Amino acid sequence: NAGVTQTPKFQVLKTGQSMTLQCAQDMNHEYMSWYRQDPGMGLRLIHYSVGAGITDQGEVPNGYNVSRSTTEDFPLRLLSAAPSQTSVYFCASSLTTGAKGYTFGSGTRLTVV
Amino acid sequence: GESVGLHLPTLSVQEGDNSIINCAYSNSASDYFIWYKQESGKGPQFIIDIRSNMDKRQGQRVTVLLNKTVKHLSLQIAATQPGDSAVYFCAENIGEGGSTLGRLYFGRGTQLTVWP
Repeated sequence: NAGVTQTPKFQVLKTGQSMTLQCAQDMNHEYMSWYRQDPGMGLRLIHYSVGAGITDQGEVPNGYNVSRSTTEDFPLRLLSAAPSQTSVYFCASSLTTGAKGYTFGSGTRLTVV
Repeated sequence: GESVGLHLPTLSVQEGDNSIINCAYSNSASDYFIWYKQESGKGPQFIIDIRSNMDKRQGQRVTVLLNKTVKHLSLQIAATQPGDSAVYFCAENIGEGGSTLGRLYFGRGTQLTVWP
């Protein structure tokens, strides 16, 4: 049982490049979500999913796309990276009952130059 | 804007003392609250949660108090230890469609520093 696995751990992109941040969980959790964390800030919700095939926008969805083709995976796509997207990205998952809140991954530190 | 916030950005306590971290929220529809601990370079880690039909919940060395009248949440850590040094976040959930978990909103966090 690996929990929530995020890859890569670090990434540097040039402005305009695209990339996909991977997130996988092996706990059969239905809820999955992506957050970004900027210095001195709490986590802000980007996109979330309540189950396979279902996604919705969070607080700061612009510039990001998601899909949920399987229960296990919830990739986050940056379409055209901008310096404002420099941040630490966390993926999280949870059972529908909300027990123990969300389980978070260890994060991806993204720098856009 | 954020509906969840913290009164103090930093808190310093001496080892063995009790710590109290506060949190205010503004959304009356919030039905579930969670405290997370985040150590440097790591993802947030669940500490304790409380539902809106409760006003107190205790865990190991931690207690969460919820005052719905003034929309205030607090985390009490007993006998604070150096390993408790971290950033603590409160988060509120507004249930959607009858489910327990919908969107989770975080406050900015409080940096707790424990001195020996």
